[in-house]
Amino acid sequence: LAKTTQPISMDSYEGQEVNITCSHNNIATNDYITWYQQFPSQGPRFIIQGYKTKVTNEVASLFIPADRKSSTLSLPRVSLSDTAVYYCLVVRNAGNNRKLIWGLGTSLAVNP
Amino acid sequence: DVKVTQSSRYLVKRTGEKVFLECVQDMDHENMFWYRQDPGLGLRLIYFSYDVKMKEKGDIPEGYSVSREKKERFSLILESASTNQTSMYLCASSFSVGLSGTDTQYFGPGTRLTVL
Repeated sequence: LAKTTQPISMDSYEGQEVNITCSHNNIATNDYITWYQQFPSQGPRFIIQGYKTKVTNEVASLFIPADRKSSTLSLPRVSLSDTAVYYCLVVRNAGNNRKLIWGLGTSLAVNP
Repeated sequence: DVKVTQSSRYLVKRTGEKVFLECVQDMDHENMFWYRQDPGLGLRLIYFSYDVKMKEKGDIPEGYSVSREKKERFSLILESASTNQTSMYLCASSFSVGLSGTDTQYFGPGTRLTVL
């Protein structure tokens, strides 16, 4: 059964680096990994996406090891405004096996 | 700027009523999605549509139907609302036809539906 697993919650302090790991043991060859961020009373919004190794943009980095069974979202030097829920998503589009495999979300609290 | 709008932010209905939730996107996207979001359960896909009049069931389609008569508009219908359908409903759209790993979903602000 395809599944993505991530921690329910994390705490951090302003200025620290935060790493959130998502486990996707049954990831398939053509699956990509995407992370979304959601603030209260808003819909999720795209942060970063990757297939393997490392991807970096202006907001975050995404580390994916060679076996691709997990991925780690890295937020450098977090601020209070990074307090949000972070979702990991694996998209499977393989013939008749089409599925969006969402994690349950990690609630990140950044403290002063 | 990309925009997905939902007809209501808050909605209160009675058990047994027929409920329509509307979603409009202005990005000429092919895919549109309806999710519900409940505490501790994350995002669960109800239906998605990859073209006008085309739809596929998601993980929890029971009790819901959808309609996509125009490319920009995707409606979620609760034929006979029940209290267990009280939830946050999120609409999203994306560029590709069908599910693609490299696609980005753009979400609306959500409709919080309460069924009494």
